[in-house]
Amino acid sequence: GAVVSQHPSRVICKSGTSVKIECRSLDFQATTMFWYRQFPKQSLMLMATSNEGSKATYEQGVEKDKFLINHASLTLSTLTVASAHPEDSSFYICSAQRQETQYFGPGTRLLVL
Amino acid sequence: AQKVTQAQTEISVVEKEDVTLDCVYETRDTTYYLFWYKQPPSGELVFLIRRNSFDEQNEISGRYSWNFQKSTSSFNFTITASQVVDSAVYFCALSSYTGTASKLTFGTGTRLQVTL
Repeated sequence: GAVVSQHPSRVICKSGTSVKIECRSLDFQATTMFWYRQFPKQSLMLMATSNEGSKATYEQGVEKDKFLINHASLTLSTLTVASAHPEDSSFYICSAQRQETQYFGPGTRLLVL
Repeated sequence: AQKVTQAQTEISVVEKEDVTLDCVYETRDTTYYLFWYKQPPSGELVFLIRRNSFDEQNEISGRYSWNFQKSTSSFNFTITASQVVDSAVYFCALSSYTGTASKLTFGTGTRLQVTL
């Protein structure tokens, strides 16, 4: 149990394009989901906490107008990278909380040209 | 502020060797949780274990074992008879329950390379 999916797994887009990433909890409901960013050979950096039915809570330094998060249901949270630029290229991972444990999706590799 | 330290950046072992990954944490909370996650080259973080701060019993799961010592604020992870498939980055993490969300503080990770 506790399976989390992410789609797409890989995105290549042109600069200025907006990209949407979906995170789904497949076998449980998640009031809370999280979005992380990971640079090569580094640890995970929390971007925001996504709560179903309310606004996301962003970490310091993360632009909420750039990284739009929607948690419209108990099984789906989306991250939209608005007007992506090459510096947004990264590995984005979501997690869904079940009791006190976060279960992670497989991640999305974003490359902005 | 919470902090997790994984002093070992990279470890290389030969298959069948035992290996211990160290994790030291700092927190002012009396109730907290400790985790280990495995990140293979594919990128997905795989949950391995969660430990509550009030439960110091060591745990064994197959070739994996965990040693939680509150007195030294450590939560070490041992792989017995390592295999090539154990090659991955392993993250230790700490969270405190804030009522609705458990934010994780990650260590910097230990990259384990197991060779034949």
